Amino acid sequence: EAQVTQNPRYLITVTGKKLTVTCSQNMNHEYMSWYRQDPGLGLRQIYYSMNVEVTDKGDVPEGYKVSRKEKRNFPLILESPSPNQTSLYFCASKPATSGNTIYFGEGSWLTVV
Amino acid sequence: QKEVEQNSGPLSVPEGAIASLNCTYSDRGSQSFFWYRQYSGKSPELIMFIYSNGDKEDGRFTAQLNKASQYVSLLIRDSQPSDSATYLCARGANFGNEKLTFGTGTRLTIIP
Repeated sequence: EAQVTQNPRYLITVTGKKLTVTCSQNMNHEYMSWYRQDPGLGLRQIYYSMNVEVTDKGDVPEGYKVSRKEKRNFPLILESPSPNQTSLYFCASKPATSGNTIYFGEGSWLTVV
Repeated sequence: QKEVEQNSGPLSVPEGAIASLNCTYSDRGSQSFFWYRQYSGKSPELIMFIYSNGDKEDGRFTAQLNKASQYVSLLIRDSQPSDSATYLCARGANFGNEKLTFGTGTRLTIIP
């Protein structure tokens, strides 16, 4: 089954404690991306990757890091989480061919206290 | 001005009626538009995409694009309670990133 898998799905953590949200896709997609969703602000892109070892900032990259060492994985790293990073996070992927739909993961609810 | 704007609602429509959802965008060069449905706490799922001016129909859904007026709309015919969700309008990137720029969504409630 084609899917984008995120872990953890739910997490409560404390300010400053480094955490990683993993994302893995089994569709051999070149493009992967992270979004965060906040009430009244909608979905906003954090980082994206066009292929292995190619990453770039989206609209709201501050406080986040990513890496793309393998095609299937695109982890989101919060080095020192702060309460304003409390949000619902979605990983997404799509093939390089234009016009294809973006596949979203199920989302990760992150609370930083 | 936001890049993609939607009325947040809530929009209430009787079951069986037509639900009309609207979206405007600021970048006149935008080429592709998407409508996603999102149930509470779930991931967005694509309903339709539209690239050309005019109407595009898929089952009970019709997307309309008017590039001159910079608006996109989604019509849902014969609305069902299962259509109750938040509907997200998104603009595709013109080049490079493949980023989707989303509106904040319109919450739709179908009243049985």
